[in-house]
Amino acid sequence: GAGVSQSPRYKVTKRGQDVALRCDPISGHVSLYWYRQALGQGPEFLTYFNYEAQQDKSGLPNDRFSAERPEGSISTLTIQRTEQRDSAMYRCASSLRLAGFYNEQFFGPGTRLTVL
Amino acid sequence: DQQVKQNSPSLSVQEGRISILNCDYTNSMFDYFLWYKKYPAEGPTFLISISSIKDKNEDGRFTVFLNKSAKHLSLHIVPSQPGDSAVYFCAASEGIIQGAQKLVFGQGTRLTINP
Repeated sequence: GAGVSQSPRYKVTKRGQDVALRCDPISGHVSLYWYRQALGQGPEFLTYFNYEAQQDKSGLPNDRFSAERPEGSISTLTIQRTEQRDSAMYRCASSLRLAGFYNEQFFGPGTRLTVL
Repeated sequence: DQQVKQNSPSLSVQEGRISILNCDYTNSMFDYFLWYKKYPAEGPTFLISISSIKDKNEDGRFTVFLNKSAKHLSLHIVPSQPGDSAVYFCAASEGIIQGAQKLVFGQGTRLTINP
């Protein structure tokens, strides 16, 4: 079956513009995660959902960042009034089940965001 | 504040020998540890994990060791193969039982296996 997909794969935008990054998780996966990865660093947690409920948004850097997953499937990460420091790889991951034991997170290929 | 640290940015090993990748952590609440492998232009893929109640987990050529007192884990690959050349990320999580699966990643170590 298809893995986690993200679109666009590359996004170049000008400072001050809003961007929306899309994640399409593996079908049937309950949990969805957003991470941000700077060059030469590991992924950094932003937020995650179980079904449509946002469980933890402690990693969102500021209120310009928001995420939604209205129907418990596709998710959108929105960055308003982008700044150059927002430039990074944004990765989405999904996992099949909920609590009780580790559920492997399957990562998508990421969206490379460049803010000029 | 880097809670998970991989102090070696790169490692070069000869094919057939053992590769040892190291990871240190500071948060004593972490109860689950993972290694991810990443090839260029792809997302990280899960490799192997270990719960804090164990000190060793083995899967084929891959073994992860956990030393809780030292807050240190390592990944051993033996024998190393050219296809193992990739970036390896160490990750940790706290509260797996409660369902909190937020992963904290290290910076990664680029492993190169030389023929």
